Amino acid sequence: DTGVSQDPRHKITKRGQNVTFRCDPISEHNRLYWYRQTLGQGPEFLTYFQNEAQLEKSRLLSDRFSAERPKGSFSTLEIQRTEQGDSAMYLCASTLEGSNQPQHFGDGTRLSIL
Amino acid sequence: EDQVTQSPEALRLQEGESSSLNCSYTVSGLRGLFWYRQDPGKGPEFLFTLYSAGEEKEKERLKATLTKKESFLHITAPKPEDSATYLCAVPIYNQGGKLIFGQGTELSVKP
Repeated sequence: DTGVSQDPRHKITKRGQNVTFRCDPISEHNRLYWYRQTLGQGPEFLTYFQNEAQLEKSRLLSDRFSAERPKGSFSTLEIQRTEQGDSAMYLCASTLEGSNQPQHFGDGTRLSIL
Repeated sequence: EDQVTQSPEALRLQEGESSSLNCSYTVSGLRGLFWYRQDPGKGPEFLFTLYSAGEEKEKERLKATLTKKESFLHITAPKPEDSATYLCAVPIYNQGGKLIFGQGTELSVKP
């Protein structure tokens, strides 16, 4: 299966620590998106890449968050100095650029802040 | 402001009891609407894309329809394995296809 994969699936850390998540998109997809989902809510957009360029960031993405997509392949999302409010499911999705192409999601990384 | 609202928030059905889920949207320049299914602890799984008012798509017991203001996901004779959260989403025009999601409808089908 060559779907979107995310690692790790779960991350438990203490408040104030830094964490990094990885996303491997479907290989031929040039667009990659990060979303955050809290319990009982739909996913909320954080940022997206077209190839290696980060083209948009949500206001939800504070200065503690940074995302990269070197060489336009996998992507990483780093959260520095984690806070309780960062606890959520972080979802990655990818798609092929083009009108109305569906985004395909990975199974996410669940982050719990102690 | 672009917005997507789903109702009801939760729906409990008996096996075989048909029903519908609603997704209302206000976006400028609709360029499609997506339905996803999400199981606990998993990412959203793509179901349908609807492009224009009047369009319908079907998959097994599910049928999605679209009007100018809302979309419906009809579930005919559901089975327990249809239990999941159903999400609808619209892409925002000229913003790289980023999706705005509704809050989802949690469907539970009892045998």
